[in-house]
Amino acid sequence: KNEVEQSPQNLTAQEGEFITINCSYSVGISALHWLQQHPGGGIVSLFMLSSGKKKHGRLIATINIQEKHSSLHITASHPRDSAVYICAVRSYNTDKLIFGTGTRLQVFP
Amino acid sequence: GAGVSQTPSNKVTEKGKYVELRCDPISGHTALYWYRQSLGQGPEFLIYFQGTGAADDSGLPNDRFFAVRPEGSVSTLKIQRTERGDSAVYLCASSLSSADTEAFFGQGTRLTVV
Repeated sequence: KNEVEQSPQNLTAQEGEFITINCSYSVGISALHWLQQHPGGGIVSLFMLSSGKKKHGRLIATINIQEKHSSLHITASHPRDSAVYICAVRSYNTDKLIFGTGTRLQVFP
Repeated sequence: GAGVSQTPSNKVTEKGKYVELRCDPISGHTALYWYRQSLGQGPEFLIYFQGTGAADDSGLPNDRFFAVRPEGSVSTLKIQRTERGDSAVYLCASSLSSADTEAFFGQGTRLTVV
């Protein structure tokens, strides 16, 4: 079992839909990152969370430390949101980032 | 530039050759990470530097892989006797410290071993 699990692996949506991507982890963490990766592109950091909730534009990220779970929400989705979204946790013991396998999102007009 | 820079962006090499991949972190960032991402997979940890020293190299797959960061800034990932299975995107990230700080990623180097 991977230390960081994401669901769903693939997600398609119509423009305007509300989207949720989930991340569960099994290790102790000091922080959780949500990252975005476009095809052929590098990785962009969207959020870094250690507790609670953060919002940036149409993106919202929440984390529940007790349940070892985080969600990334996209409101009013747009085709330009199409990308791979990756959850990564920073291990409390080792400091290294452990990545999920990503969620491939496609938003159609 | 202000971001993490990786060179080359693409590298094609023959099986058995030696390659070097370079990462220029953001100035002042003491922590530097190398990851490898195969097609359809999430990034996989290779090695982490804190300053000049490798704090954790447990992700290096075998002794053909080696990385250095002699002055605590630029890092070079070195792969000897490349194999086709080494083909992947090699990502570098840096952060201000190893603690709860944001990691910034380079664009990656796509390595293809033919």
